[in-house]
Amino acid sequence: QVQLVESGGGLVKPGGSLRLSCEPSGFIFSDYYMSWIRQAPGKGLEWVSYISDSSTYTNYADFVKGRFTISRDNARNSLYLQMNSLRAEDTAVYYCARIGPNNAYYFDYWGQGTLVTVSS
Amino acid sequence: DIQMTQSPSSLSASEGDRVTITCRASQSISDYLNWYQQKPGKAPNLLIYAASRLQSGVPSRFSGSGSATDFTLTITGLQPEDFATYYCQQSYSTPLTFGGGTKVEIK
Repeated sequence: QVQLVESGGGLVKPGGSLRLSCEPSGFIFSDYYMSWIRQAPGKGLEWVSYISDSSTYTNYADFVKGRFTISRDNARNSLYLQMNSLRAEDTAVYYCARIGPNNAYYFDYWGQGTLVTVSS
Repeated sequence: DIQMTQSPSSLSASEGDRVTITCRASQSISDYLNWYQQKPGKAPNLLIYAASRLQSGVPSRFSGSGSATDFTLTITGLQPEDFATYYCQQSYSTPLTFGGGTKVEIK
């Protein structure tokens, strides 16, 4: 069955960097667009970024543009989110999610999430 | 950016009730509307995509309708496991945006 497992979260100081990873299984990773979505404590869902199946296309929410970079390695079956210049407001659970078939931009499978805390 | 507004933000209902949640888009999004269920401490789970298509494995008591700017999620015969928070999401254009959520609580 489809599984997505995130890792790399933790406590980081404002201005610091962190790299999140997501390891998929149960499907052909290279066939799907992938995305990161976050949820601040007690708040709703915010889309962060997506990447196309072959990494040709990426897209970012304005609030992370220029600070976060999404990437993937299809040979290693891994998705990444490099987060730089972190701010307190980036504190959230970050979910890796698969984008539905035919790039329909809904999220049909989600990981369990990894918590990023930005605090001094 | 397309704003998604859900109502109500919370509701109380009893087991067996019919529950309707509304989602309104700030501009027409055709049928590019999706619904998710999230339980505390868990990741969201896709229920409905393309406004009315039931995701595989989701019980048939969940249904979606609507087009353009107004959409509804209906749960017919609320079950104990349905007490959760529900989110709509538009997939018409980036940035992809979610509604603020509707928490369904036990009356």
